[in-house]
Amino acid sequence: IAGITQAPTSQILAAGRRMTLRCTQDMRHNAMYWYRQDLGLGLRLIHYSNTAGTTGKGEVPDGYSVSRANTDDFPLTLASAVPSQTSVYFCASSQGRADTQYFGPGTRLTVL
Amino acid sequence: GENVEQHPSTLSVQEGDSAVIKCTYSDSASNYFPWYKQELGKRPQLIIDIRSNVGEKKDQRIAVTLNKTAKHFSLHITETQPEDSAVYFCAAKSTNAGKSTFGDGTTLTVKP
Repeated sequence: IAGITQAPTSQILAAGRRMTLRCTQDMRHNAMYWYRQDLGLGLRLIHYSNTAGTTGKGEVPDGYSVSRANTDDFPLTLASAVPSQTSVYFCASSQGRADTQYFGPGTRLTVL
Repeated sequence: GENVEQHPSTLSVQEGDSAVIKCTYSDSASNYFPWYKQELGKRPQLIIDIRSNVGEKKDQRIAVTLNKTAKHFSLHITETQPEDSAVYFCAAKSTNAGKSTFGDGTTLTVKP
């Protein structure tokens, strides 16, 4: 693994299903983030984690949960997907709170 | 919380001309201001950043200026090329905050 990776690349999901998006970084960065990007719009922060064992809510946390059991992994879970959660999801990481964020390649999620 | 406004939302220039994108922020505690470039279908990538202890930073054809008093910062691209065409995002962050706030993005089109 080099940098930050996400899985799956894309997914089509039936409404009501549970889904976990995976994010892994090998840079030993302390902070990690989840954003969603809707067509033609900017990046909206869903949840973040400043360090392993801690998480915080962003602008649009409803319907999503995260965990940060270790430094490398930061999964995002949709407990019961709804069509409004159709979006491109980017995971990012940074060494510290006020440092450059490195983004993963994104997961394109479609909820039908 | 922090609020970042970015203007213009779209910008079209002729190849070789300069492009300027402006952002304003609301939180005087913000001290880190990165700019990201996102090409179509790709992840956002850092192109330049500035911290609050400097007023200007330059990297080849790209420069960023910061006015802390007025709470605004700008991205300047000189001698634009078609490959500069992309969506550009500004962001503001403070060391004490766990998260960055992004502007809504500017779609730059450089016409050959």
